[in-house]
Amino acid sequence: AQSVTQLDSHVSVSEGTPVLLRCNYSSSYSPSLFWYVQHPNKGLQLLLKYTSAATLVKGINGFEAEFKKSETSFHLTKPSAHMSDAAEYFCVVRGRAGNNRKLIWGLGTSLAVNP
Amino acid sequence: NAGVTQTPKFQVLKTGQSMTLQCAQDMNHEYMSWYRQDPGMGLRLIHYSVGAGITDQGEVPNGYNVSRSTTEDFPLRLLSAAPSQTSVYFCASTDGGAKNIQYFGAGTRLSVL
Repeated sequence: AQSVTQLDSHVSVSEGTPVLLRCNYSSSYSPSLFWYVQHPNKGLQLLLKYTSAATLVKGINGFEAEFKKSETSFHLTKPSAHMSDAAEYFCVVRGRAGNNRKLIWGLGTSLAVNP
Repeated sequence: NAGVTQTPKFQVLKTGQSMTLQCAQDMNHEYMSWYRQDPGMGLRLIHYSVGAGITDQGEVPNGYNVSRSTTEDFPLRLLSAAPSQTSVYFCASTDGGAKNIQYFGAGTRLSVL
């Protein structure tokens, strides 16, 4: 069975400082992992994904995430936060068994960026 | 390129009323799904479909029906709305190839009074 845990429900950073949003996963198989972003009153947008290629994945808007199998983690980072990064971020895991495409969503991390 | 289109964007219902949330995609994806999003609970899967004529239940299917008569359309029906169904609903369409990316509609904000 797969599961995903976002370790922080809220993160607050100052503009220009680094962002770290933490995600741990559990999967019986080698997983696919995703980060999605949702801006206030908007839909969901894919930031980046890991599907067993390079362990360091670069996404849109300067975000990246590193897959660490030994730590079962897929933390999202950005070197310097912008005000426009304030949003809800979701970590998502999908196993590769059969044709099951049901994704398991984390509960989300709300990122606030202070001026 | 429309992607995933959801209608309506907003809806207010009275308890016991029925309605259908529409979802259409123009990417020829086989896999489509419906989620509801509630504060502090992330996204929960209601129903999904792996192709025309095939649907299955997700995590929270009670009170909802779906059908998939065509690849493009995947409507969600509330037969008798309840206040517990007040939520934001998202339809998603998945690229079933190596990318395996979900594309989301803009959402439907539903209030049941």
